[in-house]
Amino acid sequence: AQTVTQSQPEMSVQEAETVTLSCTYDTSENNYYLFWYKQPPSRQMILVIRQEAYKQQNATENRFSVNFQKAAKSFSLKISDSQLGDTAMYFCAFAGNQFYFGTGTSLTVIP
Amino acid sequence: DAGITQSPRYKITETGRQVTLMCHQTWSHSYMFWYRQDLGHGLRLIYYSAAADITDKGEVPDGYVVSRSKTENFPLTLESATRSQTSVYFCASLGTSGREPLGTQYFGPGTRLLVL
Repeated sequence: AQTVTQSQPEMSVQEAETVTLSCTYDTSENNYYLFWYKQPPSRQMILVIRQEAYKQQNATENRFSVNFQKAAKSFSLKISDSQLGDTAMYFCAFAGNQFYFGTGTSLTVIP
Repeated sequence: DAGITQSPRYKITETGRQVTLMCHQTWSHSYMFWYRQDLGHGLRLIYYSAAADITDKGEVPDGYVVSRSKTENFPLTLESATRSQTSVYFCASLGTSGREPLGTQYFGPGTRLLVL
């Protein structure tokens, strides 16, 4: 069975600092996509960043970047220069033949 | 406006009643999904559809029914609601035309359902 695991239920970071959220997954597929979604208190699911498994280069979107280790099945999210608006729930997601989400990490940015 | 919408946004019902949650998208995306979000479980896939008249079960399909007679609509029906189906339900769509980043799902705003 394919699963996505986020081992950090809650994290906090000082404003302007850097934080890394962890995600591991299990799959027998070779071609798939990985995502980080942000869910603020409004409950809207917002795509943060996307990684294609066949690409070795780590994806980057402004202050957000990933460390994708395909062999280790690891997909962590790094947020640089954390801002108060980054406070949200973050979900790691897998898209292949099926679609799976992790249980989420609640991130609080402290002023 | 273009996008993906859900209705109702909030619903209170009683055990045993039938409830239908609506989902509508204007992008003509092929794939559509229903998830439920519960504390400690993240999002769990209920059903998905690859195209009109094609549906398939996800991780937690029991107690739910879906249909997809038109590409743009994907209603989710709870045939006999139970308290364990109290949750927040998200609809999502995914395009495969090549105009969008492959594999990316776009979510509706969610429906909060309370079953008393």
